[in-house]
Amino acid sequence: ILNVEQSPQSLHVQEGDSTNFTCSFPSSNFYALHWYRWETAKSPEALFVMTLNGDEKKKGRISATLNTKEGYSYLYIKGSQPEDSATYLCAFNRGGGNKLTFGTGTQLKVEL
Amino acid sequence: KAGVTQTPRYLIKTRGQQVTLSCSPISGHRSVSWYQQTPGQGLQFLFEYFSETQRNKGNFPGRFSGRQFSNSRSEMNVSTLELGDSALYLCASSLVAGPTDTQYFGPGTRLTVL
Repeated sequence: ILNVEQSPQSLHVQEGDSTNFTCSFPSSNFYALHWYRWETAKSPEALFVMTLNGDEKKKGRISATLNTKEGYSYLYIKGSQPEDSATYLCAFNRGGGNKLTFGTGTQLKVEL
Repeated sequence: KAGVTQTPRYLIKTRGQQVTLSCSPISGHRSVSWYQQTPGQGLQFLFEYFSETQRNKGNFPGRFSGRQFSNSRSEMNVSTLELGDSALYLCASSLVAGPTDTQYFGPGTRLTVL
């Protein structure tokens, strides 16, 4: 059974706070780790696809790091804004196509 | 470029009926994957199609089936509906079918089984 775990399950922060979440995945047969942001009533939006150990990707105030040897990825949001409120999902691909195994997500709420 | 579209957006069916959901990928994308989202289970992989061939299948009963057409549009079918099939069904498309390809999701079809 392939388990992808995310923590925390939910997070409330104040506007301007920086925050980070964790995604844990099996370290064997690793091909890629995907991060998505899913706002209520919208489609999941792709943030990053990470493939190499030590990878670091950045998109505006959001960045992510990857450690394939120990099986974890961190997502960071700097200076959280209310529009960052969403569920952040990570998904693991062990190769052989497009099959993604998703974690259950971290629900972020940014309050004014 | 238009995004992934799914029809219908909402469906209400009764137990025992069957349902067909449709997904149109982004123009030029050849791979379509389907996922089921329920509150208890999160996003679960159903199947993946590339060039009209099913490449991967998730751990779902045979009542769940799908196909892909030559224009890359895909349909999934659920026969003999059960209450537990109530869920949001998402499809995602990508250019090819590699593990590092970004998958772009549609808005989903919300299926309610009564």
